[in-house]
Amino acid sequence: DGGITQSPKYLFRKEGQNVTLSCEQNLNHDAMYWYRQDPGQGLRLIYYSQIVNDFQKGDIAEGYSVSREKKESFPLTVTSAQKNPTAFYLCASRTVPGDTQYFGPGTRLTVL
Amino acid sequence: KQEVTQIPAALSVPEGENLVLNCSFTDSAIYNLQWFRQDPGKGLTSLLLIQSSQREQTSGRLNASLDKSSGRSTLYIAASQPGDSATYLCAVRPGSGNTGKLIFGQGTTLQVKP
Repeated sequence: DGGITQSPKYLFRKEGQNVTLSCEQNLNHDAMYWYRQDPGQGLRLIYYSQIVNDFQKGDIAEGYSVSREKKESFPLTVTSAQKNPTAFYLCASRTVPGDTQYFGPGTRLTVL
Repeated sequence: KQEVTQIPAALSVPEGENLVLNCSFTDSAIYNLQWFRQDPGKGLTSLLLIQSSQREQTSGRLNASLDKSSGRSTLYIAASQPGDSATYLCAVRPGSGNTGKLIFGQGTTLQVKP
Protein backbone atom coordinates (compact mmCIF):
# COMPACT_ATOMS: atom_id res chain seq x y z
CA ASP A 1 0.00 0.00 0.00
CA GLY A 2 1.35 3.41 -0.92
CA GLY A 3 0.92 6.20 1.52
CA ILE A 4 2.24 8.37 4.31
CA THR A 5 2.87 7.06 7.80
CA GLN A 6 3.39 9.13 10.92
CA SER A 7 4.57 7.86 14.26
CA PRO A 8 3.83 7.84 17.04
CA LYS A 9 0.09 8.49 16.98
CA TYR A 10 0.22 10.03 20.47
CA LEU A 11 3.26 11.64 22.09
CA PHE A 12 3.71 13.10 25.52
CA ARG A 13 6.53 15.49 26.32
CA LYS A 14 7.77 16.95 29.54
CA GLU A 15 8.66 20.61 29.57
CA GLY A 16 12.24 21.20 28.46
CA GLN A 17 12.47 18.04 26.36
CA ASN A 18 13.04 17.77 22.64
CA VAL A 19 10.91 15.23 20.77
CA THR A 20 11.02 13.98 17.19
CA LEU A 21 7.98 13.14 15.09
CA SER A 22 8.44 10.68 12.25
CA CYS A 23 7.01 11.04 8.73
CA GLU A 24 7.67 8.44 6.03
CA GLN A 25 6.21 8.19 2.52
CA ASN A 26 6.51 5.51 -0.14
CA LEU A 27 4.78 7.52 -2.86
CA ASN A 28 8.09 8.62 -4.41
CA HIS A 29 7.02 12.22 -3.86
CA ASP A 30 9.61 14.97 -4.08
CA ALA A 31 8.04 17.53 -1.75
CA MET A 32 7.10 17.06 1.88
CA TYR A 33 5.41 19.38 4.38
CA TRP A 34 4.78 19.71 8.10
CA TYR A 35 1.64 21.44 9.37
CA ARG A 36 0.36 22.19 12.84
CA GLN A 37 -3.36 22.19 13.70
CA ASP A 38 -4.80 23.74 16.85
CA PRO A 39 -8.42 23.23 17.97
CA GLY A 40 -10.90 25.13 15.83
CA GLN A 41 -8.17 26.36 13.52
CA GLY A 42 -6.93 25.49 10.11
CA LEU A 43 -3.51 24.08 9.38
CA ARG A 44 -0.41 26.27 9.57
CA LEU A 45 2.80 25.45 7.71
CA ILE A 46 5.89 24.76 9.83
CA TYR A 47 8.53 23.59 7.34
CA TYR A 48 8.64 22.20 3.83
CA SER A 49 11.15 20.47 1.59
CA GLN A 50 11.05 20.17 -2.16
CA ILE A 51 14.18 18.08 -2.59
CA VAL A 52 16.53 15.98 -0.54
CA ASN A 53 18.99 17.95 1.62
CA ASP A 54 17.01 21.17 1.20
CA PHE A 55 14.18 22.66 3.27
CA GLN A 56 12.59 26.04 3.97
CA LYS A 57 10.80 27.64 6.90
CA GLY A 58 7.08 28.00 6.77
CA ASP A 59 4.95 30.49 8.65
CA ILE A 60 5.56 29.19 12.18
CA ALA A 61 9.05 27.61 12.15
CA GLU A 62 10.31 29.00 15.46
CA GLY A 63 11.03 26.22 17.97
CA TYR A 64 11.03 23.50 15.32
CA SER A 65 13.73 21.84 13.21
CA VAL A 66 13.70 19.33 10.35
CA SER A 67 16.02 17.26 8.20
CA ARG A 68 15.64 15.69 4.76
CA GLU A 69 18.44 13.17 4.34
CA LYS A 70 16.30 10.70 2.38
CA LYS A 71 13.55 11.28 -0.14
CA GLU A 72 11.05 9.19 1.78
CA SER A 73 11.65 10.67 5.25
CA PHE A 74 11.06 14.12 6.76
CA PRO A 75 11.30 14.05 10.57
CA LEU A 76 10.24 17.04 12.66
CA THR A 77 11.89 17.89 15.97
CA VAL A 78 9.94 19.97 18.46
CA THR A 79 12.52 21.68 20.63
CA SER A 80 12.25 23.12 24.12
CA ALA A 81 12.24 26.57 22.50
CA GLN A 82 8.70 25.96 21.24
CA LYS A 83 6.60 27.58 23.96
CA ASN A 84 3.24 26.04 23.16
CA PRO A 85 3.82 22.74 21.39
CA THR A 86 0.59 20.96 22.33
CA ALA A 87 -1.17 20.43 18.98
CA PHE A 88 -2.00 17.96 16.22
CA TYR A 89 0.85 17.62 13.70
CA LEU A 90 0.24 16.59 10.11
CA CYS A 91 2.74 15.60 7.46
CA ALA A 92 1.98 15.80 3.74
CA SER A 93 3.68 15.14 0.43
CA ARG A 94 3.17 15.80 -3.28
CA THR A 95 4.90 15.21 -6.60
CA VAL A 96 6.73 18.12 -8.23
CA PRO A 97 5.15 19.38 -10.38
CA GLY A 98 1.82 18.30 -8.98
CA ASP A 99 -1.23 19.72 -7.36
CA THR A 100 -2.68 17.41 -4.76
CA GLN A 101 -1.12 17.09 -1.31
CA TYR A 102 -1.56 13.75 0.42
CA PHE A 103 -1.71 13.74 4.19
CA GLY A 104 -0.63 11.31 6.86
CA PRO A 105 -2.82 10.31 9.84
CA GLY A 106 -1.20 12.81 12.22
CA THR A 107 0.56 12.82 15.59
CA ARG A 108 -1.04 14.37 18.65
CA LEU A 109 1.59 15.94 20.90
CA THR A 110 0.77 16.85 24.48
CA VAL A 111 3.08 18.66 26.86
CA LEU A 112 2.74 17.49 30.46
CA LYS B 1 -1.16 38.43 2.85
CA GLN B 2 -3.60 35.75 1.75
CA GLU B 3 -6.29 34.89 4.29
CA VAL B 4 -8.88 32.15 3.97
CA THR B 5 -12.15 32.21 5.89
CA GLN B 6 -14.86 29.59 6.24
CA ILE B 7 -18.31 30.42 7.52
CA PRO B 8 -20.10 28.96 9.40
CA ALA B 9 -17.74 27.23 11.82
CA ALA B 10 -20.34 24.54 12.47
CA LEU B 11 -23.47 23.33 10.73
CA SER B 12 -26.11 20.76 11.67
CA VAL B 13 -28.64 19.47 9.14
CA PRO B 14 -31.13 16.60 8.88
CA GLU B 15 -30.27 13.68 6.64
CA GLY B 16 -31.24 14.15 3.00
CA GLU B 17 -30.83 17.90 2.94
CA ASN B 18 -28.73 19.63 0.26
CA LEU B 19 -26.20 22.02 1.75
CA VAL B 20 -23.56 24.56 0.83
CA LEU B 21 -20.28 25.26 2.61
CA ASN B 22 -18.59 28.59 1.99
CA CYS B 23 -14.94 29.58 1.61
CA SER B 24 -13.62 33.07 0.93
CA PHE B 25 -10.07 34.29 0.25
CA THR B 26 -8.61 37.78 0.17
CA ASP B 27 -6.15 37.57 -2.73
CA SER B 28 -7.54 36.43 -6.09
CA ALA B 29 -4.06 35.50 -7.39
CA ILE B 30 -4.35 31.80 -6.65
CA TYR B 31 -2.98 28.76 -8.46
CA ASN B 32 -5.73 26.42 -7.31
CA LEU B 33 -8.16 25.73 -4.49
CA GLN B 34 -8.73 22.41 -2.72
CA TRP B 35 -11.47 21.09 -0.51
CA PHE B 36 -10.49 18.51 2.12
CA ARG B 37 -12.41 16.34 4.55
CA GLN B 38 -11.10 15.60 8.05
CA ASP B 39 -12.64 13.04 10.40
CA PRO B 40 -12.05 13.53 14.15
CA GLY B 41 -8.44 12.83 15.10
CA LYS B 42 -7.48 11.88 11.54
CA GLY B 43 -5.54 13.28 8.63
CA LEU B 44 -6.98 15.12 5.65
CA THR B 45 -8.50 13.54 2.56
CA SER B 46 -8.61 15.55 -0.66
CA LEU B 47 -12.14 15.83 -2.07
CA LEU B 48 -11.91 18.22 -5.00
CA LEU B 49 -9.27 20.43 -6.57
CA ILE B 50 -10.17 23.37 -8.80
CA GLN B 51 -7.52 25.00 -10.95
CA SER B 52 -7.61 28.80 -11.17
CA SER B 53 -8.84 28.58 -14.78
CA GLN B 54 -11.78 26.34 -13.86
CA ARG B 55 -15.22 27.27 -12.58
CA GLU B 56 -16.26 24.01 -10.97
CA GLN B 57 -15.43 20.38 -10.28
CA THR B 58 -17.75 17.49 -9.48
CA SER B 59 -17.26 14.17 -7.76
CA GLY B 60 -20.33 12.10 -6.98
CA ARG B 61 -22.61 14.08 -4.67
CA LEU B 62 -20.03 16.84 -4.30
CA ASN B 63 -19.72 19.94 -6.44
CA ALA B 64 -17.19 22.69 -5.85
CA SER B 65 -17.34 26.05 -7.56
CA LEU B 66 -14.78 28.82 -7.81
CA ASP B 67 -15.28 32.53 -8.43
CA LYS B 68 -11.77 33.89 -8.39
CA SER B 69 -12.71 37.50 -9.04
CA SER B 70 -14.91 37.66 -5.98
CA GLY B 71 -12.61 35.46 -3.88
CA ARG B 72 -15.20 32.79 -3.16
CA SER B 73 -15.65 29.05 -3.42
CA THR B 74 -18.55 26.85 -2.41
CA LEU B 75 -18.81 23.13 -1.74
CA TYR B 76 -22.26 21.76 -2.49
CA ILE B 77 -23.23 18.44 -0.94
CA ALA B 78 -26.34 16.83 -2.35
CA ALA B 79 -28.63 14.52 -0.39
CA SER B 80 -26.51 14.61 2.77
CA GLN B 81 -25.93 11.41 4.76
CA PRO B 82 -24.78 10.80 8.35
CA GLY B 83 -21.50 9.53 6.89
CA ASP B 84 -20.84 13.03 5.57
CA SER B 85 -20.39 14.24 9.15
CA ALA B 86 -16.84 15.61 9.37
CA THR B 87 -14.87 18.85 9.22
CA TYR B 88 -14.46 20.33 5.75
CA LEU B 89 -11.44 22.52 5.06
CA CYS B 90 -10.68 24.64 2.05
CA ALA B 91 -7.14 25.61 1.12
CA VAL B 92 -5.71 27.90 -1.52
CA ARG B 93 -2.37 27.55 -3.21
CA PRO B 94 -0.95 31.03 -3.91
CA GLY B 95 -0.30 31.92 -7.53
CA SER B 96 3.35 32.85 -7.08
CA GLY B 97 6.16 30.33 -6.71
CA ASN B 98 6.13 26.57 -7.04
CA THR B 99 6.47 25.60 -3.40
CA GLY B 100 3.06 23.99 -3.23
CA LYS B 101 2.33 25.80 0.03
CA LEU B 102 -1.31 25.76 1.04
CA ILE B 103 -3.15 28.33 3.11
CA PHE B 104 -6.06 26.84 5.02
CA GLY B 105 -9.35 28.12 6.34
CA GLN B 106 -10.46 27.21 9.84
CA GLY B 107 -12.91 24.59 8.62
CA THR B 108 -16.65 23.97 8.88
CA THR B 109 -17.73 21.09 11.11
CA LEU B 110 -20.76 19.39 9.62
CA GLN B 111 -23.15 17.14 11.50
CA VAL B 112 -25.79 15.27 9.53
CA LYS B 113 -28.51 13.89 11.80
CA PRO B 114 -30.31 10.65 10.90
